[in-house]
Amino acid sequence: KNQVEQSPQSLIILEGKNCTLQCNYTVSPFSNLRWYKQDTGRGPVSLTIMTFSENTKSNGRYTATLDADTKQSSLHITASQLSDSASYICVVSAEVPSDMRFGAGTRLTVKP
Amino acid sequence: DTEVTQTPKHLVMGMTNKKSLKCEQHMGHRAMYWYKQKAKKPPELMFVYSYEKLSINESVPSRFSPECPNSSLLNLHLHALQPEDSALYLCASSPWDSSEHGYTFGSGTRLTVV
Repeated sequence: KNQVEQSPQSLIILEGKNCTLQCNYTVSPFSNLRWYKQDTGRGPVSLTIMTFSENTKSNGRYTATLDADTKQSSLHITASQLSDSASYICVVSAEVPSDMRFGAGTRLTVKP
Repeated sequence: DTEVTQTPKHLVMGMTNKKSLKCEQHMGHRAMYWYKQKAKKPPELMFVYSYEKLSINESVPSRFSPECPNSSLLNLHLHALQPEDSALYLCASSPWDSSEHGYTFGSGTRLTVV
C-alpha cells in the first residue's frame, strides 16, 4: 500500500476558479512534505516544501497546508490559469534524505 | 546555476543498441538520483549516488548501468533494453546532508525502445 495517497485522482475546473488538492500520508518518521508540479513529459518542479513545524506556506497563487497530527496536507490554487494544467505530486520524506515517497498525483485540467 | 540538465531530451533506440543518458548539475549537490516514470504514474527510484558512490540500487536490471564520473555528472548506460523500458527517465540532485531542501529534477529524457 502506498504510504502517500492523493485525491482527487483528476480534476477539471474553469479558468479563474480556485481548487484544493489533498494528500494523506503514513510515512514515519516524517521529515518534510513537498508539492511538485509536473507538466506532461517534463520533470517535476518544486512548489513548496514544509517541515514538521510549519502549518502553511505560500508560493504565489499556491498555498500549501500541513497538519502533522492528522498527517494531511493540502495544496490550494487560487485564480487558476490555463498554465496550471499539470499533474501535482505530493512527496513525503522520511528522515533519510534519499527516502522520498511519491503520491500518484492529481491531474488538474483548467479549461477556458 | 540552479538547474539539472539532462541530455538527450528524446531518444529512440533498438533493442540491440547501446546508448547513454547524461545528467549534469553545478549546484554542489552531493546526491544524485535516477528515476523511471511511466505515463500517469509517479517516478520510481532506480539509483542513488552519494559523494560519487552508488548507495542505493533498487533492484534494477543489469541492462541499466549507472556511472558517476564526478560530483557534477551522472550517466545511465543502456544496453539490450526491452520495449517495456520505454519511459521518461528523470535525473535529480539534492544536498546529501540535508532533508530540508527539495530535489531539483531535470526535464527528463523520453526514451522509446523499438
